[in-house]
Amino acid sequence: QVQLQESGPGLVKPSETLSLTCTVSGGSISSYYWTWIRQPPGKGLEWIGYIYNSGSTNYNPSLKSRVTISLDTSKNQFSLKLSSVTAADTAVYYCARRIAARPIYAFDMWGQGTMVTVSS
Amino acid sequence: AIQMTQSPSSLSASVGDRVTITCRASQGIRNDLGWYQQKPGKAPKLLIYAASSLQSGVPSRFSGSGSGTDFTLTISSLQPEDFATYYCLQDYNYPLTFGPGTKVDIK
Repeated sequence: QVQLQESGPGLVKPSETLSLTCTVSGGSISSYYWTWIRQPPGKGLEWIGYIYNSGSTNYNPSLKSRVTISLDTSKNQFSLKLSSVTAADTAVYYCARRIAARPIYAFDMWGQGTMVTVSS
Repeated sequence: AIQMTQSPSSLSASVGDRVTITCRASQGIRNDLGWYQQKPGKAPKLLIYAASSLQSGVPSRFSGSGSGTDFTLTISSLQPEDFATYYCLQDYNYPLTFGPGTKVDIK
């Protein structure tokens, strides 16, 4: 059974870079769209972006200038970097696996989520 | 970006009730829509993909319908474990966008 697990600092200072890693266990990291999604406290879900196993990426335009998603197939991990953070970036960050092959387009596996607070 | 709206934003229902949640897209998205259930402190869980296909392991009391701009999620007989927040997600184009959620709580 594939499992995803986020890891990284729970507290980041304003203007610094948020860095998270998602470790995929129980399966290969190939052939899926590995995605980051976030959820501010008490609010809805926001798609941040993905990386495909080819290395291609796609980011939410609202965050594009600050986001980098990378992949380390040797470690079965993918990572998120979000620069110049502010309090508005405080959220639970989820990593998720997206299937994108007709007829199925969906996030079928999720990590448990990790809370990141931006505060000095 | 495609905007997703949901109605109602919240509802109160009893065990055994039939519950319907509506999701509307700001433009046509074919049937590229999913429904997710989220319980407090947990990650979302996929219920329905391609508007009407039930994800493996999801109880058959959940069903989805619609295409184009208007979609519905129906729970035929609400169970205690179904009290949660439900989100739709358009998977038609980027950026992927979620609806604001519908919270289903106990009446």
